[in-house]
Amino acid sequence: DAGVIQSPRHEVTEMGQEVTLRCKPISGHNSLFWYRQTMMRGLELLIYFNNNVPIDDSGMPEDRFSAKMPNASFSTLKIQPSEPRDSAVYFCASTSSGYTDTQYFGPGTRLTVL
Amino acid sequence: AQRVTQPEKLLSVFKGAPVELKCNYSYSGSPELFWYVQYSRQRLQLLLRHISRESIKGFTADLNKGETSFHLKKPFAQEEDSAMYYCALFVGGTSYGKLTFGQGTILTVHP
Repeated sequence: DAGVIQSPRHEVTEMGQEVTLRCKPISGHNSLFWYRQTMMRGLELLIYFNNNVPIDDSGMPEDRFSAKMPNASFSTLKIQPSEPRDSAVYFCASTSSGYTDTQYFGPGTRLTVL
Repeated sequence: AQRVTQPEKLLSVFKGAPVELKCNYSYSGSPELFWYVQYSRQRLQLLLRHISRESIKGFTADLNKGETSFHLKKPFAQEEDSAMYYCALFVGGTSYGKLTFGQGTILTVHP
């Protein structure tokens, strides 16, 4: 298994543009998490899906952020419109069941908004 | 709301010296605590969890409910321990709850 797959690995965009980050969890895992990593705030949980249903999106910073999981093997995190303060590394992680199982992280997407 | 504090953003030690990465949490109940590690050019991965009470790569962490701490310790640091370390706190059940990470500590072990 290739583990959690994220694309793109790097994204550079201009303020105001729409950005879509993609994640493919490990096959058979039913829980998926999106995180944001910055030097100032560390690692923040943005949203958690269980069986493709958003369970906790309290970490989503504002309405400009949205996440979907149309099926068990794919999720997207969209930022529209993007702002420079959104620049960060975005990680996706999956577990076989819920929060407390071992989280398997993807390689991350480094987003730079100019 | 629960909170995880890692007071040191940067920690430097020499090879062979003991190392302690501090983690304090704010929660009055029985939490689950974890340490995650990210080595250079590798993915973030689980290092250990308090319920396992195991030693991984020479690291141990003891939950101290009185001090609400979960410090990560190793008696003799190695250069390959250089990495970013995150402490995480979970409160809740299997499919509900809250997972909170600290801000992380970058450990550098000098030769």
